[in-house]
Amino acid sequence: EDQVTQSPEALRLQEGESSSLNCSYTVSGLRGLFWYRQDPGKGPEFLFTLYSAGEEKEKERLKATLTKKESFLHITAPKPEDSATYLCAVQTSGGSNYKLTFGKGTLLTVNP
Amino acid sequence: DAGITQSPRHKVTETGTPVTLRCHQTENHRYMYWYRQDPGHGLRLIHYSYGVKDTDKGEVSDGYSVSRSKTEDFLLTLESATSSQTSVYFCATRTGTNYGYTFGSGTRLTVV
Repeated sequence: EDQVTQSPEALRLQEGESSSLNCSYTVSGLRGLFWYRQDPGKGPEFLFTLYSAGEEKEKERLKATLTKKESFLHITAPKPEDSATYLCAVQTSGGSNYKLTFGKGTLLTVNP
Repeated sequence: DAGITQSPRHKVTETGTPVTLRCHQTENHRYMYWYRQDPGHGLRLIHYSYGVKDTDKGEVSDGYSVSRSKTEDFLLTLESATSSQTSVYFCATRTGTNYGYTFGSGTRLTVV
C-alpha cells in the first residue's frame, strides 16, 4: 500500500526565518511527486512536480528536492503570505491508470 | 480553477437521503477524480474515472457511487447519506504529465 507521511504537522515561523518541510513516501512504481499549496476554503493549488532522485524545482521562495525516499520543500525567507497548508502527493500507476495519494499536510504559519 | 466547476458549493442534507454532487470540466481531460478531505485524514480518493463510463474505486468508496456519461461531467452520489460523510469534497482532473492535477473549489457537505 502506498504511504505518504508529512512532517511536521504544523510549523510556525517568523518572517524571514527559513525552514524545510518533509515528505517521506513508500510506493511501488513512483510516477511523480507533487507539491500543492492549499489556502483555507479553497482547493489545492499545484506548485511542483518531481520525477527522479536529485531533481530540484524552484519558484520564488520555494524550492523542492527529491531523493529516493523523501522530498523536501525548502522555504527561504518566508513572508506572511506564504502561510498555508502544504500538501505532498505521489502519483502511482496501476496498469495505465493514474492515482494521487496524499499526505496529511503541513500547516505553515508565518508571523510578521 | 482552470475550467473545473463543482456544484453545489455548500449543502446540508438529512441522514438517509440520497445526494449527488456534480463536477464539470471544460478542458476535455480524460482522467477525473473525487476526493474527500477531513481533519486528521487529509485528502482521500473516493472514485476516479479514466474515460466515459470507465470508473474505478479509490480507498474510501463504500457508500458512494459515480457516473460519467460525458467527458465533461463526473457525478458523485451518496446513496443514503450518513453523518460520517460530512466532509469537503473535491473534484480534480489530471491535466498532463508535467502539470499534475487541477482541483475544483470544493463542496462542503453537512449531513444532519
